[in-house]
Amino acid sequence: NAGVTQTPKFQVLKTGQSMTLQCAQDMNHEYMSWYRQDPGMGLRLIHYSVGAGITDQGEVPNGYNVSRSTTEDFPLRLLSAAPSQTSVYFCASIGNTGELFFGEGSRLTVL
Amino acid sequence: AQSVTQLDSQVPVFEEAPVELRCNYSSSVSVYLFWYVQYPNQGLQLLLKYLSGSTLVKGINGFEAEFNKSQTSFHLRKPSVHISDTAEYFCAVSMDTGRRALTFGSGTRLQVQP
Repeated sequence: NAGVTQTPKFQVLKTGQSMTLQCAQDMNHEYMSWYRQDPGMGLRLIHYSVGAGITDQGEVPNGYNVSRSTTEDFPLRLLSAAPSQTSVYFCASIGNTGELFFGEGSRLTVL
Repeated sequence: AQSVTQLDSQVPVFEEAPVELRCNYSSSVSVYLFWYVQYPNQGLQLLLKYLSGSTLVKGINGFEAEFNKSQTSFHLRKPSVHISDTAEYFCAVSMDTGRRALTFGSGTRLQVQP
């Protein structure tokens, strides 16, 4: 009963490097989203997807790209990492009654 | 646009005392409301949700919340807290059953002391 799986759990990058955070869900949910969590700011929406092939921007999309080639996978790409992107990232899929199912999070540090 | 305000960033309370965590929202249309809990170094899990119907909603671990449309509030309550309730609590709102995305408050850290 995996639910939402995120990898990696921890990552350290240097400024300017790129990387992809992986997210997979096995609940056949159409809707998926990426959030970042920073102290005192709650969770802020980066990008979301309403189905395979369809994505849209959230509150804080700059510096991030997403794609949704399958229902299961929703990777988040950092194109050129900056220290301001140091954060904890959460992927979530959305059930039929609006409940979000979260992954365990990916802690990213950009030096 | 919708927004969520959690009025208290930290709430210290003694074990077995009652607690209320406050949440106010702003939206020009009908909303759907959620409370999530995050234990240290973990993801978020749903405590309870209000979609429609009775304004008093019961959730897991003895928590409940009341939707007050006139005051645009959705405060979370528990009559008697335990040490294990120490966590961060997030209020969230959506205008369309959350199928697109939720807007979260900044969180309230509940610290239960013995």
